[in-house]
Amino acid sequence: GAGVSQSPSNKVTEKGKDVELRCDPISGHTALYWYRQSLGQGLEFLIYFQGNSAPDKSGLPSDRFSAERTGGSVSTLTIQRTQQEDSAVYLCASSLTGLATYEQYFGPGTRLTVT
Amino acid sequence: AQSVTQLGSHVSVSEGALVLLRCNYSSSVPPYLFWYVQYPNQGLQLLLKYTSAATLVKGINGFEAEFKKSETSFHLTKPSAHMSDAAEYFCAVNTGTASKLTFGTGTRLQVTL
Repeated sequence: GAGVSQSPSNKVTEKGKDVELRCDPISGHTALYWYRQSLGQGLEFLIYFQGNSAPDKSGLPSDRFSAERTGGSVSTLTIQRTQQEDSAVYLCASSLTGLATYEQYFGPGTRLTVT
Repeated sequence: AQSVTQLGSHVSVSEGALVLLRCNYSSSVPPYLFWYVQYPNQGLQLLLKYTSAATLVKGINGFEAEFKKSETSFHLTKPSAHMSDAAEYFCAVNTGTASKLTFGTGTRLQVTL
């Protein structure tokens, strides 16, 4: 079946612009995660959605970052007023449930470059 | 709090040799542990996971890992390396209270002829 998909695969933007990154999770998965992978910080958790519960936003690095998940499916990560330090690969993952024992399936990522 | 330490950012082995990638964890509650592999320009793929059943876990592509509570370790091994194993490997921990993966810094495996 279809895996997690992300778009765009690559995004180049100028400093100060806003960007939106999209994630389509595996159908039927109630849990959705965003992670960021960068040379300096490695792989770090950003935000977690589970069903209709309030999201866990504890990993968002600043208030320029926000995310939403509409209809319990597609998610959009928005970065406002992008900075050069936002350059990274943004990975989305989904899981059947939010239980810690369940595997998270990762998408191919969106490579964001801020110039 | 939970954390993972991967010793060795780069490991090089000859084709056919044993692969050993080290992972130590820290967790205040019983952990669930995962190994993921990342090929260039791709996302992460699960190799195997430990979720408190058998301590020796077998995964895909001939990899296995053993959970050792006394050593707080979850090292990844493969008896015989193949060229296609060249990739970056990440150890990760999750706990019932966190619902998010905490990753190690990764180990890049190089396989030489």
